[in-house]
Amino acid sequence: GENVEQHPSTLSVQEGDSAVIKCTYSDSASNYFPWYKQELGKRPQLIIDIRSNVGEKKDQRIAVTLNKTAKHFSLHITETQPEDSAVYFCAATAYASGGSYIPTFGRGTSLIVHP
Amino acid sequence: DAGVIQSPRHEVTEMGQEVTLRCKPISGHDYLFWYRQTMMRGLELLIYFNNNVPIDDSGMPEDRFSAKMPNASFSTLKIQPSEPRDSAVYFCASSTQGEETQYFGPGTRLLVL
Repeated sequence: GENVEQHPSTLSVQEGDSAVIKCTYSDSASNYFPWYKQELGKRPQLIIDIRSNVGEKKDQRIAVTLNKTAKHFSLHITETQPEDSAVYFCAATAYASGGSYIPTFGRGTSLIVHP
Repeated sequence: DAGVIQSPRHEVTEMGQEVTLRCKPISGHDYLFWYRQTMMRGLELLIYFNNNVPIDDSGMPEDRFSAKMPNASFSTLKIQPSEPRDSAVYFCASSTQGEETQYFGPGTRLLVL
């Protein structure tokens, strides 16, 4: 099965700095890579995603990059703000025989942005 | 749309008791997923349904856990008997055919004493 490794497990930055979270995956059949943000006590919410036919995607202060050859993808947050503080999960998703896309999640990165 | 709805939001019970968690997926979504989240193991997929039929329950930890989906708008996850190690946040998520994105409910925080 798929195995997703996520690093670092915790990341502490000063407001205004950039933050980078990295994930690797094992299954070359994975072709969709979402990133979820989970604030304390809340549900995971999709913040950005990337598909295997794209190398980079940007949405305002966040961007994702994907290297399919190396099987790794990263989340970049620029000009971090205190409200970016949360746990971020990456996932690698493959199409399952049951007809759905089944994600395998990383263990999460706790991002703390200090004012 | 109200999104995925789960109840209860919090549950405290004693070891040995039966626990039933409930989920209402987003209207029109034909896939429903149950996850368990703990500090030790992260987000684990327990089971998922397509058109009310269980497709893969290989993530269900043991026979004490069971899940049903009697109709397109309702699913339950039952633990009987519950044990302290079942304490976790249980999320329900739904998606639609051909779409990769899953939408999560608010979760049920379960504490078994």
